[in-house]
Amino acid sequence: AQSVTQPDIHITVSEGASLELRCNYSYGATPYLFWYVQSPGQGLQLLLKYFSGDTLVQGIKGFEAEFKRSQSSFNLRKPSVHWSDAAEYFCAVGSLTGNQFYFGTGTSLTVIP
Amino acid sequence: DGGITQSPKYLFRKEGQNVTLSCEQNLNHDAMYWYRQDPGQGLRLIYYSQIVNDFQKGDIAEGYSVSREKKESFPLTVTSAQKNPTAFYLCASSIGFVAEAFFGQGTRLTVV
Repeated sequence: AQSVTQPDIHITVSEGASLELRCNYSYGATPYLFWYVQSPGQGLQLLLKYFSGDTLVQGIKGFEAEFKRSQSSFNLRKPSVHWSDAAEYFCAVGSLTGNQFYFGTGTSLTVIP
Repeated sequence: DGGITQSPKYLFRKEGQNVTLSCEQNLNHDAMYWYRQDPGQGLRLIYYSQIVNDFQKGDIAEGYSVSREKKESFPLTVTSAQKNPTAFYLCASSIGFVAEAFFGQGTRLTVV
């Protein structure tokens, strides 16, 4: 069965520090992978997506993610975090066979000055 | 501007009442979805629809109903059979299941 795991429920980083949010997926075929960000009380906004090709994908707001098939991972990174990056981050996989998206439980990011 | 509009933003329901959450999109997307979000549980799929007049149950469909009479509209009814309806509800749409989903701003439903 398809699933997405975000092992870190909450992460705190200092402003200006680097960030890596982990995502592992379980999927039998080539996955379609996404990272979304959610501010409190708001909907989800797409940060980036991976469908095929270059395994390092660039997104909005200076985020990037790397697809590693051997590790079934799609970790999100940012070299220097800004206070405005504080939010909830969700990893998701799209399933053509399952006809739906599978979301992780999210990672809450706190940024301290 | 194209997008997804959910209304109302906040909704209060009395015990035993049915309530309907609205979701409208002008992105010309075929697929639409309803998710429920509870703290620490991520997004759980309630219902989805790939085309007009067709929809399928998701993982937590009990106590909910939907309709898809128009391509741009996918309303969700929370019935009195839903025992714990207090949650944040998100509507989304996409071209298909292998394209990104676009989300509305959500409706927070509270039972009073």
